[in-house]
Amino acid sequence: DGGITQSPKYLFRKEGQNVTLSCEQNLNHDAMYWYRQDPGQGLRLIYYSQIVNDFQKGDIAEGYSVSREKKESFPLTVTSAQKNPTAFYLCASSISYGGIISNTGELFFGEGSRLTVL
Amino acid sequence: GNSVTQMEGPVTLSEEAFLTINCTYTATGYPSLFWYVQYPGEGLQLLLKATKADDKGSNKGFEATYRKETTSFHLEKGSVQVSDSAVYFCALSSNDYKLSFGAGTTVTVRA
Repeated sequence: DGGITQSPKYLFRKEGQNVTLSCEQNLNHDAMYWYRQDPGQGLRLIYYSQIVNDFQKGDIAEGYSVSREKKESFPLTVTSAQKNPTAFYLCASSISYGGIISNTGELFFGEGSRLTVL
Repeated sequence: GNSVTQMEGPVTLSEEAFLTINCTYTATGYPSLFWYVQYPGEGLQLLLKATKADDKGSNKGFEATYRKETTSFHLEKGSVQVSDSAVYFCALSSNDYKLSFGAGTTVTVRA
């Protein structure tokens, strides 16, 4: 079945460590996104990518980095510079046409990765 | 900029009760409006959408009507079930790539 796979589901990190969250999709979607979810704050966009080898900062990119070397993969690194990294991270993808993201707005989400800093 | 405001939860209901979750928005241009649902331990799924004024989105017994005059997109269901317990997010997309999400409303349905 087509979908988005995030791993790991749960991750614990010591302060000062970088961690990388994996996101893989087999939906053949060009666009991919990373969101952060905190209680009572909804979803906030970290980074997005419209096409391979290109990505843009979202609303809260500080302390995060991404890469998009393959269409199927969009890993997120939470660096030690992120001051409050404990959160639930959601990866999503959507259709785009020639680099223009569809305005139908349907995002397909993975099941999320919960990161806890000890 | 674009923003979405939805009613705060949590909301607790008995089975077969009527559910309304209010959502209002601020946007430039002509946004599309969405409701997403997040079941416990899962990612979000699109529940329904409306792409222009007066459109009604519907799915799984849920409905929402795009009201431009009141900038609202309230979610309703006439008779909820225990399986409807989830977090519901209102969202909008405008002329760019971004979806703007509300804070989410947690709904718990008791048997």
